[in-house]
Amino acid sequence: EIVLTQSPATLSLSPGERATLSCRASQSVSSYLAWYQQKPGQAPRLLIYDASNRATGIPARFSGSGSGTDFTLTISSLEPEDFAVYYCQQRSNWPLYTFGQGTKLEIK
Amino acid sequence: EVQLVESGGGLVQPGGSLRLSCAASGFTFSSYWMHWVRQAPGKGLVWVSRINSDGSSTSYADSVKGRFTISRDNAKNTLYLQMNSLRAEDTAVYYCARDGGRIARGAFDIWGQGTMVTVSS
Repeated sequence: EIVLTQSPATLSLSPGERATLSCRASQSVSSYLAWYQQKPGQAPRLLIYDASNRATGIPARFSGSGSGTDFTLTISSLEPEDFAVYYCQQRSNWPLYTFGQGTKLEIK
Repeated sequence: EVQLVESGGGLVQPGGSLRLSCAASGFTFSSYWMHWVRQAPGKGLVWVSRINSDGSSTSYADSVKGRFTISRDNAKNTLYLQMNSLRAEDTAVYYCARDGGRIARGAFDIWGQGTMVTVSS
């Protein structure tokens, strides 16, 4: 089983700042990694697929990078609506899929 | 509008059964793989099961293998999850999600609002 480890567990930043979230895989997942945003009481929303491709309707301030075992989600300038929990997810180990444990992005 | 709507959740005793449904609209349901993902209260996302577009291939997380069965009825645009031998640790919100298909294979691009399953005596 491929384990995804996200860091930090909690990130405290202010609006306008740059956020950098990390996801590390226990073995290579190539570029088969996605990122999701989840707000309280809501379903997750796909942000990034295949490590660096923005999903439909996702603002340009969200970007993804990485390959192999190390991945990053960057939010260039935080908006108030960006404070949420973020999850990474891999599909390399198809037909099994796994999520990271999540990073909570909170307002400082 | 592309939409997934889950139903069928509720309170069930340990060892009991429940069938969840997910009604799809706004897209060609029969062309997409579909998934179930769950989230225990206050916890993270856990992938549960996947089915291919015509229902001929399925896969499951180890934690539910042999107890849960995913299926679909493409004529009714509906996805199902039959859950048997339920345990307290199955308590969660269950989401159905669409696979991203040719553009985003293996990413879940559309999600339902979720249905809560509580396993308790």
